[in-house]
Amino acid sequence: DIQMTQSPTSLSASVGDRVTITCQASQDIKSYLNWYQQKPGEAPNLLLYDASNLEPGVPSRFRGDGSGTDFTFTITSLQPEDFATYFCQQYEKVPFTFGPGTTVDL
Amino acid sequence: EVQLLESGGGLVQPGGSLRVSCEASEFSFGSYAMSWVRQAPGKGLEWVSTISGNSRTTYYADSVKGRFTISRDNSKKTLYLQMNSLRAEDTAVYYCAREAYGDYWIDYWGQGTLVTVSS
Repeated sequence: DIQMTQSPTSLSASVGDRVTITCQASQDIKSYLNWYQQKPGEAPNLLLYDASNLEPGVPSRFRGDGSGTDFTFTITSLQPEDFATYFCQQYEKVPFTFGPGTTVDL
Repeated sequence: EVQLLESGGGLVQPGGSLRVSCEASEFSFGSYAMSWVRQAPGKGLEWVSTISGNSRTTYYADSVKGRFTISRDNSKKTLYLQMNSLRAEDTAVYYCAREAYGDYWIDYWGQGTLVTVSS
C-alpha cells in the first residue's frame, strides 16, 4: 500500500498568515493527489485535485504543487474560515490512502 | 444540488451485521463511481470501498475485505455497504461519497452515519 505522511501534524497561525503543509507519498504517485478540508462536525470538502487543480468555487488563496512523492499545500493568506483540518489523498493505486491530517488552529 | 443522504447507522454488537445506505439525488447516479469513507471518533479519514457506475468493478481496503460488501441499485439511486463480522475498530462515521466523473477524487460527500460496534 502507498503510505501518506503529512507535516506538520498541527500548526498555529493567525489571520493573514501564509500557511504551508507538506504531504509525502511512500512511492511515486505522479500527480494523483487530492486535498480536502474538514471542519469539526462536518464532512470533508474537496479543495484541490491532481495536485494543483482548484475545485470550482474554491478560493484562489488555496494552492497545491508537487508531483512524484513530494507535495505542498499552501494557503496564501489565512482567513478565519480556514481554521480546519486538511487531508491529502492519493489515487494512484488502491487503496486510495489519506494522509493523517494537519490541523490549522488559531 | 447534488445530495447524498446516508441512513442505517446505529449500535451493533461485535460480530454482528449492519447495512448502511446512501440515497443520491440531483445527478445521473449510474454514471458515477461511488465510495464509502469512514472516520473513527477523533481520527483521520480512511477510504473503505469504491464501486464503479455499472457495478462491474469494486475495490476494498484490506481492513474490510471479506467482511464488507459495497453494492448499488442504479434504479433506486442508492448505494449500500453491507458490513458483517463487525469489530470495535469499525466504529466510525461512514460517509457516502461521489467520485468525480471518470476520476477518483471525491467531489461530493454525504453528512455521514455513525456506526458503533460495542457490547
